[in-house]
Amino acid sequence: QQQVKQSPQSLIVQKGGISIINCAYENTAFDYFPWYQQFPGKGPALLIAIRPDVSEKKEGRFTISFNKSAKQFSLHIMDSQPGDSATYFCAAERGSYKLIFGSGTRLLVRP
Amino acid sequence: DVKVTQSSRYLVKRTGEKVFLECVQDMDHENMFWYRQDPGLGLRLIYFSYDVKMKEKGDIPEGYSVSREKKERFSLILESASTNQTSMYLCASRRDRAMNTEAFFGQGTRLTVV
Repeated sequence: QQQVKQSPQSLIVQKGGISIINCAYENTAFDYFPWYQQFPGKGPALLIAIRPDVSEKKEGRFTISFNKSAKQFSLHIMDSQPGDSATYFCAAERGSYKLIFGSGTRLLVRP
Repeated sequence: DVKVTQSSRYLVKRTGEKVFLECVQDMDHENMFWYRQDPGLGLRLIYFSYDVKMKEKGDIPEGYSVSREKKERFSLILESASTNQTSMYLCASRRDRAMNTEAFFGQGTRLTVV
C-alpha cells in the first residue's frame, strides 16, 4: 500500500511564482518528514525536513507546512527559479527505521 | 563531504544473467540502503543493512539479494535478471539508525535487462 501519497505528478510554474507540492500520509506514528530534491543524472539530496511538533519550517525560499490533524504536509517554493527545476520527493519515517517515499513531483520552472 | 559511489552509471544485461551492483561510501556510515526508482512509483526500498553482515528486507526484496562484507561496501545482487527489473537503482547511506539522519545517495545505476 502507498503510505505516502504525493501530488501533483508534474508541475509547471513561471519564474517568480510559487510552487506547491502536497503529501498525505496514513501512519500517525511517523515522526520525521523530509523532502528530497533530485536533479537529472543525480541521486536525491536532502532539501529540508520537519518533525510533527512544529507546523512550519522555513529555509530560504523553501518552506514546509505541516498539518498533523489532516495528516498532510506540503513544500512551498517561493520565487521559483529555473534552477529549481528538478524532481521532488516527500518522505516519512517512524523512528529511524526506514524512509517511505512519495511518488515524486517533476517541477519545471519556465524562464 | 559524504560520498556514495555506485560502480556503474549504465548497465545492459541479458535475461537470466546474475547481476552485481556495487556501492561504496566513504564516511563510515552504519546504515546502507538499496532503492529502485521507477516513474510514478517514487523510490522503493529493496534491502537495507545496519551493520556488517546484517541485512533486512525492504518493501520489494523479491528477486534480489544483498551482501555487506565490509562496512563501506553494500552490494545488490540480481540472482537471475528479468526484464521487469529494468530500472534506476539508487544506493544510500545514513550515519545512525537511532536518529533521523540525512540519507546520502549515489548517482544511480540505470540497469536495462534485455
